Amino acid sequence: DAGVIQSPRHEVTEMGQEVTLRCKPISGHNSLFWYRQTMMRGLELLIYFNNNVPIDDSGMPEDRFSAKMPNASFSTLKIQPSEPRDSAVYFCASSLAMGVRTLHFGNGTRLTVT
Amino acid sequence: QQQVKQSPQSLIVQKGGISIINCAYENTAFDYFPWYQQFPGKGPALLIAIRPDVSEKKEGRFTISFNKSAKQFSLHIMDSQPGDSATYFCAARKETSGSRLTFGEGTQLTVNP
Repeated sequence: DAGVIQSPRHEVTEMGQEVTLRCKPISGHNSLFWYRQTMMRGLELLIYFNNNVPIDDSGMPEDRFSAKMPNASFSTLKIQPSEPRDSAVYFCASSLAMGVRTLHFGNGTRLTVT
Repeated sequence: QQQVKQSPQSLIVQKGGISIINCAYENTAFDYFPWYQQFPGKGPALLIAIRPDVSEKKEGRFTISFNKSAKQFSLHIMDSQPGDSATYFCAARKETSGSRLTFGEGTQLTVNP
């Protein structure tokens, strides 16, 4: 199994630009999570989906952030417009919604907004 | 609101020593307590987990101790090795929350040779 695949691994962009982060969950997993990691705030849950449906987006910091899951094998996190304070490592994670619900993380996207 | 508090923020241990990381939680509805290990440039990965019906779980050099009445749990790494140097996160989950985890702040462990 290839695990959770995120792209790009690194993204450097200028303030005001649109940023799109991508995630391919583990095949068969029906829960998907987007986390943000910073030194100051640790791992923050931004949003999670069950069966492609957003369940809780209360962690999304502002309307500048949006996430979609058009099908079971793909999700995007978009920031528009980006700001320097959005600089962080963004992780996607997936799991089964029932039974053994171990959360499997991707290797993250390091976003730098200048 | 931080529902899982973790300490210390950083820890330095000599090779062969015992590393201890502590976590405390507030919500008594939590019923699953995993620890995740994260190496630089990688995502967190499940290390070991415990449910509140037992007070201790051991896997190799890693042990979770759980105190339900105090709402605390800790990770002990015996015979710590330089390869254990990583960031460790405790977490908690409610049965009704599917697979959603609430994470502690993380502890950066350095094991010196």
